[in-house]
Amino acid sequence: AQSVAQPEDQVNVAEGNPLTVKCTYSVSGNPYLFWYVQYPNRGLQFLLKYITGDNLVKGSYGFEAEFNKSQTSFHLKKPSALVSDSALYFCAVRDGGNYGQNFVFGPGTRLSVLP
Amino acid sequence: EAQVTQNPRYLITVTGKKLTVTCSQNMNHEYMSWYRQDPGLGLRQIYYSMNVEVTDKGDVPEGYKVSRKEKRNFPLILESPSPNQTSLYFCASSLWGVGTSRTGELFFGEGSRLTVL
Repeated sequence: AQSVAQPEDQVNVAEGNPLTVKCTYSVSGNPYLFWYVQYPNRGLQFLLKYITGDNLVKGSYGFEAEFNKSQTSFHLKKPSALVSDSALYFCAVRDGGNYGQNFVFGPGTRLSVLP
Repeated sequence: EAQVTQNPRYLITVTGKKLTVTCSQNMNHEYMSWYRQDPGLGLRQIYYSMNVEVTDKGDVPEGYKVSRKEKRNFPLILESPSPNQTSLYFCASSLWGVGTSRTGELFFGEGSRLTVL
């Protein structure tokens, strides 16, 4: 069965410092991985995805994520955090080789960037 | 503009009064899904559909019904709402299939905040 773990409920970082939001996954087939961000009172917005190819993927708002197959991880990163990055972040996975396999979301990590 | 549209965005209702939350997408996506979001519980899937006339239960289907008669629409029906269905609901859609060309990201609606008194 597929699963996604986000080991930290909350991440605090100072503005201007690098940030990392962690995600590990379990899937039997080809992992297709996604990051979403949710700002207060808004729907989830797509940030970036890994489907195939380069392990480092770049997305919206200066975010990037690194796919590590051996560690089954897909950590979200940004070199320099902004206060406006404060939000709830969700990691999701789907087995791209399995038609019947659904999306699975992690529990979310709340990022607070302190001025 | 590609979008997923949910209505109503806000609703206060009373126990037992049937209601429907509509969801429509304009991207010709095969896959549509409903989630509810509650504090401390993350996103929980209610129902999903991989194509027209194909629906399946998610993690928390009790008290809900769905139908997928057309590709673009996926309404969520609460036949007899109860206070424990007070929540923030999201509809989402995506391309669906196998392989890189058929695996896209989910597009989410803006959410429907439902209060059942």
